[in-house]
Amino acid sequence: AAGVIQSPRHLIKEKRETATLKCYPIPRHDTVYWYQQGPGQDPQFLISFYEKMQSDKGSIPDRFSAQQFSDYHSELNMSSLELGDSALYFCASSLAGVVYEQYFGPGTRLTVT
Amino acid sequence: DAKTTQPPSMDCAEGRAANLPCNHSTISGNEYVYWYRQIHSQGPQYIIHGLKNNETNEMASLIITEDRKSSTLILPHATLRDTAVYYCIVRPFTNAGKSTFGDGTTLTVKP
Repeated sequence: AAGVIQSPRHLIKEKRETATLKCYPIPRHDTVYWYQQGPGQDPQFLISFYEKMQSDKGSIPDRFSAQQFSDYHSELNMSSLELGDSALYFCASSLAGVVYEQYFGPGTRLTVT
Repeated sequence: DAKTTQPPSMDCAEGRAANLPCNHSTISGNEYVYWYRQIHSQGPQYIIHGLKNNETNEMASLIITEDRKSSTLILPHATLRDTAVYYCIVRPFTNAGKSTFGDGTTLTVKP
């Protein structure tokens, strides 16, 4: 079965640079979530989109922005990168309904040097 | 979202059942219990969810107490590949219910 696709899988950037992470949800899924997992930490919710509209917002820095496009894929844009942004970034998708599960992608490992 | 409490770590012998408890005493009526696991550095994996009835799928069984204040995830025949951090998450079934991960149980399956 098709899974959530994230690209790139690995990304190395320098401080103050920008980065764009992409997420392609499972076909027919209409909701996308972004999570950040720092070294030795649990995944932390950043932001979510339902039908291309932001539906919830967590601890996402102002330097980060995200959007969901008409084909339901999503992009997380990160500017003025800091060393502390080095983390695994997971995207998850789900099909909104009465009860639903979130399916996570393999993650993008961002390293800021 | 209701807060959950899980033991920080558990061991299980390979081939035996692994029973992972979770307390969620402040759960409200519209909140479901979800279980996810994360194998080292991989994306969290959905396991099972339930509202008030016991549930079973190909991966695990979920037992929810009658008062819904606690639950137990059961892996019937644990394998080495089941070694992971297991998260019990309680959240309502809204259109954009974020998952709040924290304080999961590290299950180590030993040969």
